[in-house]
Amino acid sequence: EAQVTQNPRYLITVTGKKLTVTCSQNMNHEYMSWYRQDPGLGLRQIYYSMNVEVTDKGDVPEGYKVSRKEKRNFPLILESPSPNQTSLYFCASSLLGQPSYEQYFGPGTRLTVT
Amino acid sequence: LAKTTQPISMDSYEGQEVNITCSHNNIATNDYITWYQQFPSQGPRFIIQGYKTKVTNEVASLFIPADRKSSTLSLPRVSLSDTAVYYCLVGEYSSASKIIFGSGTRLSIRP
Repeated sequence: EAQVTQNPRYLITVTGKKLTVTCSQNMNHEYMSWYRQDPGLGLRQIYYSMNVEVTDKGDVPEGYKVSRKEKRNFPLILESPSPNQTSLYFCASSLLGQPSYEQYFGPGTRLTVT
Repeated sequence: LAKTTQPISMDSYEGQEVNITCSHNNIATNDYITWYQQFPSQGPRFIIQGYKTKVTNEVASLFIPADRKSSTLSLPRVSLSDTAVYYCLVGEYSSASKIIFGSGTRLSIRP
């Protein structure tokens, strides 16, 4: 089944404790992206990647890191989480180079930083 | 990236046709218009995409006038399960870049 998976789905952590949220897709998509969603602010893009070893900042990259060493994986790293990073995070992927730029989203990771 | 403007919320009743309009006055020549649907605590789901005139699939229709400065998502005969947030996005996706979702339209369907 074609899908985007994220782990963990729920995470409660403390300020400053490094964490990684994994994202994996099995559709051989070039493009992958991370979003955060907060009440009243909609979906905001954190980072995106057009292919292996190619990443770029979205609208809200501060406090986050990403890497794209393999085509299927795009982990989101919070080196020193802070309470303002408490949010619902989504990973997404899509094909490039054609008009049907349909993004497939993962199930989401709800992160709480205390 | 073209900025989009949508109504914050809309209400309708089961069985009605619902039209959600999105304004994108600064749309560029190579931009496509894409609509997503999102249920609470789930990732957005692609609904439909178009460049001009009319596009129809099994879920919805997308109407785009000749000047392309707006678009209308049409949901025929809605049901309670169509209650969701709907996002209009505009961008040149073939070159891949930042994607901006905007605030979306919260659609509530009543029995």
